[in-house]
Amino acid sequence: GAVVSQHPSWVICKSGTSVKIECRSLDFQATTMFWYRQFPKQSLMLMATSNEGSKATYEQGVEKDKFLINHASLTLSTLTVTSAHPEDSSFYICSASEGGGQPQHFGDGTRLSIL
Amino acid sequence: GENVEQHPSTLSVQEGDSAVIKCTYSDSASNYFPWYKQELGKRPQLIIDIRSNVGEKKDQRIAVTLNKTAKHFSLHITETQPEDSAVYFCAASIGTGGFKTIFGAGTRLFVKA
Repeated sequence: GAVVSQHPSWVICKSGTSVKIECRSLDFQATTMFWYRQFPKQSLMLMATSNEGSKATYEQGVEKDKFLINHASLTLSTLTVTSAHPEDSSFYICSASEGGGQPQHFGDGTRLSIL
Repeated sequence: GENVEQHPSTLSVQEGDSAVIKCTYSDSASNYFPWYKQELGKRPQLIIDIRSNVGEKKDQRIAVTLNKTAKHFSLHITETQPEDSAVYFCAASIGTGGFKTIFGAGTRLFVKA
């Protein structure tokens, strides 16, 4: 149980393109979803927290107009990297929790490469 | 806000030996401490967690201890095996699930056969 699916797993696109990443909880309802960014050999840096039906809460230093997060249902959250540039290249990973004292479960991550 | 420090950054042990990873946190309100194992290019996987009302928890070869007074917690892996080689992250959060989790910098564990 507690499976989180993240798509796509790998994206290569040109600078200036917008990229959408989906995060789905397959067998539970995710009250809260989290989006992280991970640079090579580094830790997971929380970008934002989203609760279903509410606006996402962004961490300091994360541009909300750059990284658009939508959590429209209890099983789906999306992260859109708008007008992506090479410095946005990274590993993006989501996690989901059904709340009620349950831990976070991670998706497989999306490796984003901007040329 | 919460800050989590993790040591060591790299740990190399011989197969069969024990490995210990230590973390400290800053926010005394934190009450949930999960540990994740991440293999290269894969998702972090929860391996054990502990809540603040417990001082120690064990699951087969893995154990976690928590000292709330000192604000530190540790992961202990006994009888290490090559497949234990991975990056391990400690984390701290206020509550579980719906509350944000702050991760340590990670420990790269190498288990030599």
